Amino acid sequence: DAGVIQSPRHEVTEMGQEVTLRCKPISGHNSLFWYRQTMMRGLELLIYFNNNVPIDDSGMPEDRFSAKMPNASFSTLKIQPSEPRDSAVYFCASSHDFRGRRYGYTFGSGTRLTVV
Amino acid sequence: GQQVMQIPQYQHVQEGEDFTTYCNSSTTLSNIQWYKQRPGGHPVFLIQLVKSGEVKKQKRLTFQFGEAKKNSSLHITATQTTDVGTYFCAGTYSGTYKYIFGTGTRLKVLA
Repeated sequence: DAGVIQSPRHEVTEMGQEVTLRCKPISGHNSLFWYRQTMMRGLELLIYFNNNVPIDDSGMPEDRFSAKMPNASFSTLKIQPSEPRDSAVYFCASSHDFRGRRYGYTFGSGTRLTVV
Repeated sequence: GQQVMQIPQYQHVQEGEDFTTYCNSSTTLSNIQWYKQRPGGHPVFLIQLVKSGEVKKQKRLTFQFGEAKKNSSLHITATQTTDVGTYFCAGTYSGTYKYIFGTGTRLKVLA
């Protein structure tokens, strides 16, 4: 298995521009998570999907952030408009949750976003 | 809110020395996971502990879940330079799906 695939690996954009981050989870995993990592705040959960349905988006910072999962093999995280404080590493992770049993998350390699 | 505290924040050891990081929660955890993140890399799942008092070993790594399921530890025996990275615990509580990540312990091993 190729693991969780994220693109792009690096993104540099100007303030005010739209940014779209992409994620392909591991085939067969039914849970998908978007995390943001910064030195100041550590790993923050932004949104959680289960069976392609958003279950909890309480970690999404504000309306500028949106996430979709149109099918089991693809998810996007969009920031519009982007701001310098959005600069961080964004990770996508997937896992297989079965009958209440949780398994370890598999993280993608992340997207390092820099907003200038 | 529920928080998972992790100490120490940083640890520098000489190669061959032991290392321990601790994870604490003010409320009872359902289970806990441990991850390792190499510099510039992504978190990699190491192990999950579910039972009170559970102890699991992976080669030089020993993971322990407290009897009250409020704390956990990761102990590395005879550290090697390949152990360098940040170690995170992530705990979840009964009735929730969320894993709350600790702040991590950054380990540096001096050769």
